[in-house]
This record gives sequence, structure tokens and C-alpha cells, in this order.
Amino acid sequence: EIVLTQSPATLSLSPGERATLSCGASQSLSSNYLAWYQHRPGLAPRLLIYDASTRATGIPDRFSGSGSGTDFTLTISRLEPEDFAVYYCLQYGNSLTGRTFGGGTKVEIK
Amino acid sequence: QVQLQESGPGLVKPSETLSLTCTVSGGSIYSNYWSWIRQPPGKRLEWIGSIFFSGSTYYNPSLKSRLSISGDTSKNQISLKLSSVTAADTAVYYCARDVRIGWELGWFDPWGQGTLVTVSS
Repeated sequence: EIVLTQSPATLSLSPGERATLSCGASQSLSSNYLAWYQHRPGLAPRLLIYDASTRATGIPDRFSGSGSGTDFTLTISRLEPEDFAVYYCLQYGNSLTGRTFGGGTKVEIK
Repeated sequence: QVQLQESGPGLVKPSETLSLTCTVSGGSIYSNYWSWIRQPPGKRLEWIGSIFFSGSTYYNPSLKSRLSISGDTSKNQISLKLSSVTAADTAVYYCARDVRIGWELGWFDPWGQGTLVTVSS
């Protein structure tokens, strides 16, 4: 099983600031098969990024994904009030290794 | 726009069977894979299992012996049954469309908002 480690666990920032979230994989991800999700309380998890850097439909361009191999980053260029939430990464691709999620990063208002 | 809504009892007794339904609206369950995912309190999200509209199922090996996922194309619903539950099965349960990349596993999108199931006597 591929283990995803997200850091930091909590990020305390103010609206307008830049957020940088990390997701590390225990082994290299083929084809950079990594997705990012936003989860606000009481709502459905929302797909932000897939294939490490492709924004999902309707996602604002302040969200960007980067990285390859074992190290991936989600960047929110300028935090809006609705961006304070928990963010998860997901690795996918190989049916033998399955799909696993990271432990999450909570972005909270400072 | 496809939307998913989970429904079912919020409280299940230990050793009984947990049963949940996911109703898909705004689209058909045909020609898609659908998954159940759960998140126990304080723990990571965990893929439970998937079903293709034809009825083919794929289960998490750790749950396979207790799990059954089925689909009802006439109602556009996916169902989950997990037997012999314990407190460890207490979690928020989500259904989601399971995107495939050719023969490879893809991401999940969209998701339902989830339903909390507590296992307690």
C-alpha cells in the first residue's frame, strides 16, 4: 500500500495569504496520479486537482497543483474566506496498489 | 450535473448489518463505476468498494468477507451492506462516482455529502 503523508497537519493563515500544502508518497506515483480535494464541514468533498496539476472543471485558478514522483504540492495563491477547509490528497492508478488518501491538512483562519 | 445523496439508518447495533443507499440524480448510473468510501472519526478516508453498472464489484480486501455492493438501474441507486458491524465501523459513509483511466483506477468525482453511521447498542 502506498502511504501518503500530508504536511503540515494545520496551517493558520489570514485571508489573502498564500497557502502551500504538501503531500509525500511512500513510493513514486506512476504518471503522477495524484488528486487534491477540498472538504468543508457538512458538504461533499470537492475535487480540485487531478493528475497532479490539472484543475477540475469550475475550479478557480488560484488553486494550482505541482510535483512529481513522491513530492506534490497544492498552492492556493490568495486565500478567500471559503477556502478555509480540510484538504486531502489521493493517489490512484495501479489496481495492485489501490487508492489511498492522505491524512489531511486543515487550513484555518489565523 | 450529477449529484449523489446517501441515506440510511444513523444508528446500527453491534453484530447487525449496516445498509445504506446512494441515489444518483442528474445522470444515469449506466456506463460508470460507483464507489463507497468511509471516514471513521479521527482517521483517514478509506475506499470500501466499487460497482460497475453491469454489476461487477470490487471490494477492499479488509472488508470483503462482510461486504456487498449492488445497483438498481430502475431506481438509479447504489446500495451498500456491511454485516457483523462493530464500533470500528462507525464512520461517515460517502458514495462517489469512480472515474477510470482506461484500465487504470482514477479519482472520485463527484461525492455525496456523506452520512454518519454510529455502531452502538
